[in-house]
Amino acid sequence: QKEVEQDPGPLSVPEGAIVSLNCTYSNSAFQYFMWYRQYSRKGPELLMYTYSSGNKEDGRFTAQVDKSSKYISLFIRDSQPSDSATYLCAINTGNQFYFGTGTSLTVIP
Amino acid sequence: DSGVTQTPKHLITATGQRVTLRCSPRSGDLSVYWYQQSLDQGLQFLIQYYNGEERAKGNILERFSAQQFPDLHSELNLSSLELGDSALYFCASSVGDRGHEQYFGPGTRLTVT
Repeated sequence: QKEVEQDPGPLSVPEGAIVSLNCTYSNSAFQYFMWYRQYSRKGPELLMYTYSSGNKEDGRFTAQVDKSSKYISLFIRDSQPSDSATYLCAINTGNQFYFGTGTSLTVIP
Repeated sequence: DSGVTQTPKHLITATGQRVTLRCSPRSGDLSVYWYQQSLDQGLQFLIQYYNGEERAKGNILERFSAQQFPDLHSELNLSSLELGDSALYFCASSVGDRGHEQYFGPGTRLTVT
């Protein structure tokens, strides 16, 4: 079993839609939960991180963590064509870092 | 632009060869992380250095090694290269050693022929 599993997509939505991206993880010892955005052939870009259960909001992005279910989500409101990218969830505990395989998102104008 | 630089951008080499990838972290960052990204494996953590010392080790092969120098730049050495080593190699950096706020460089694309 992988440490973190991510819905692979691809996901295609119309502009303005609310997007939900999801990951599950296996180890309750994980401390930090991150979301990265990666454009084609570029390095991942940190969007948000959190370490507690609940919601964390930053502009159009909301990260949600449910530690009891070992489930993390990223919501994108009012999605824009510029949001078209691959989204990676990531988790870490102390000295190990695990990334999901990414969900490819396309926002259609 | 994250402030992390990596050289070279592209590298083409033959099986059995050895290459060195270089990374300069953001100004003020003490940690450097190396990752390998391939189509079938996704982004895999290789190794972390913090202020010159190895801090964490992931799925790094014995043929691979890294170091961080006093000026905090880092090098990843890949030897006895195999076709399967073809991938994107990313370096990331962070201020501290917890790794929850990493900034990635643009990557080095390695092709082994």
